[in-house]
Amino acid sequence: DSGVTQTPKHLITATGQRVTLRCSPRSGDLSVYWYQQSLDQGLQFLIQYYNGEERAKGNILERFSAQQFPDLHSELNLSSLELGDSALYFCASSISGGTLETQYFGPGTRLLVL
Amino acid sequence: AQKITQTQPGMFVQEKEAVTLDCTYDTSDPSYGLFWYKQPSSGEMIFLIYQGSYDQQNATEGRYSLNFQKARKSANLVISASQLGDSAMYFCAMREASPGYSGGGADGLTFGKGTHLIIQP
Repeated sequence: DSGVTQTPKHLITATGQRVTLRCSPRSGDLSVYWYQQSLDQGLQFLIQYYNGEERAKGNILERFSAQQFPDLHSELNLSSLELGDSALYFCASSISGGTLETQYFGPGTRLLVL
Repeated sequence: AQKITQTQPGMFVQEKEAVTLDCTYDTSDPSYGLFWYKQPSSGEMIFLIYQGSYDQQNATEGRYSLNFQKARKSANLVISASQLGDSAMYFCAMREASPGYSGGGADGLTFGKGTHLIIQP
């Protein structure tokens, strides 16, 4: 158990809908990262937050957005969902967001868009 | 752009044998970190081992060691005395200290495509 929690574990929804994925980092970690794992794209970095502020953006679509709240939990919002958004979404956390810090991953949220 | 290559899509190994999983990387940044993660069939990503580009010695964590050859840009994971529970996908990942150095721009981990390791009894 990494100490990172993600809810829900599974999510099934329809195209065009909007969903919110939630992540709580390890105790003491200030930085949160979101990754997407799909069969065709592999594991891709989406976005990073540090202490409530966006720090870095990766291959995140404009239909996706995220935020980190004062209690340090983070939410990833996916809107206008398409079939291709079906994937495993991971949240990871690290102590201060330093580039060479180990990131600890949550169990993931498996999203299926029908 | 930074890139990770794992050339072994799948491997079958007998239990108790040692296993080497290959990983090569490409970066122009002199400061970077290399990571290995394990993903069992249940789906979670488990951190195994880290090697910094300036570390003089190869990293070790229990049965895991990292064979770091900087000049060859390789960071192979070695699992000694493999166990049935080692069956999983293994991902090599890298993060540059200065993400824009190699022109990639992204500031998260860059992952390889993974190696599916199956340990046979």
